[in-house]
Amino acid sequence: NAGVTQTPKFQVLKTGQSMTLQCAQDMNHEYMSWYRQDPGMGLRLIHYSVGAGITDQGEVPNGYNVSRSTTEDFPLRLLSAAPSQTSVYFCASRTGGIRGQETQYFGPGTRLLVL
Amino acid sequence: QKEVEQDPGPLSVPEGAIVSLNCTYSNSAFQYFMWYRQYSRKGPELLMYTYSSGNKEDGRFTAQVDKSSKYISLFIRDSQPSDSATYLCAMSYSSASKVIFGSGTRLSIRP
Repeated sequence: NAGVTQTPKFQVLKTGQSMTLQCAQDMNHEYMSWYRQDPGMGLRLIHYSVGAGITDQGEVPNGYNVSRSTTEDFPLRLLSAAPSQTSVYFCASRTGGIRGQETQYFGPGTRLLVL
Repeated sequence: QKEVEQDPGPLSVPEGAIVSLNCTYSNSAFQYFMWYRQYSRKGPELLMYTYSSGNKEDGRFTAQVDKSSKYISLFIRDSQPSDSATYLCAMSYSSASKVIFGSGTRLSIRP
C-alpha cells in the first residue's frame, strides 16, 4: 500500500512550457484534490474530484486543468507555465462520507520552478 | 480578511515544555476542525480531527474548539525535538465541502 504518490519530485520549466504533474492513490478513495503551497499562504485548493469523471474548481484554478478517468489517477496539467506558478504542489485523497476528512492523506509534493 | 488566521511563528520552546498553537476563524458555519503536522519537505499529515465544539485528546496532543469565540487550539504536552515541524490548522463547513487551511505555525523544540 503506497498511499498517495506524486511524480516528479522536482521540475524546472521555462515560461510558456506545458507539463503534467502525476498523482496516484491505491486506497480506492473517491475524493482527490490538488493544492499549492506558497510561503505565508498555507494550502490553497486548485481543483478537486469526488469520483471518476467528476471534477470541479477550487480557489485558484486558473492556468490548470484536471481530469479523472480512473479512481486511482488525478493528473494536473499546466497549460502554459508562468513564474507565478512556482510553488510546491500537493495531491491529496480521502474517502467520502460523513467522516471522510479523518481519512485524508497527502502525497510528498512536487516542487515546481518556472523561469 | 482571511477566513482562517494563524500566527506563522516561528515558535521556539525548550524540550518538555507545553506548547499551545492557535487559530481564529471568521465564519461560524465551520463544523469540522483539523490539525495537520508537516515536516520540512514533506506532505502534511493529519494529527487531530474534531467535529463541532469540545476537546479531544490523543496521547500528548489535545485539540480544543471554542465555537463561541471562533478559536481553536492544539496543545502538545512534554514536547520533544521530534515535534519540530509546521502545524497547520484546517476547517470545513461539512464532510463534503472543501477544506480551508491556515498558513501554518513553524515550531522548534530545543533539546
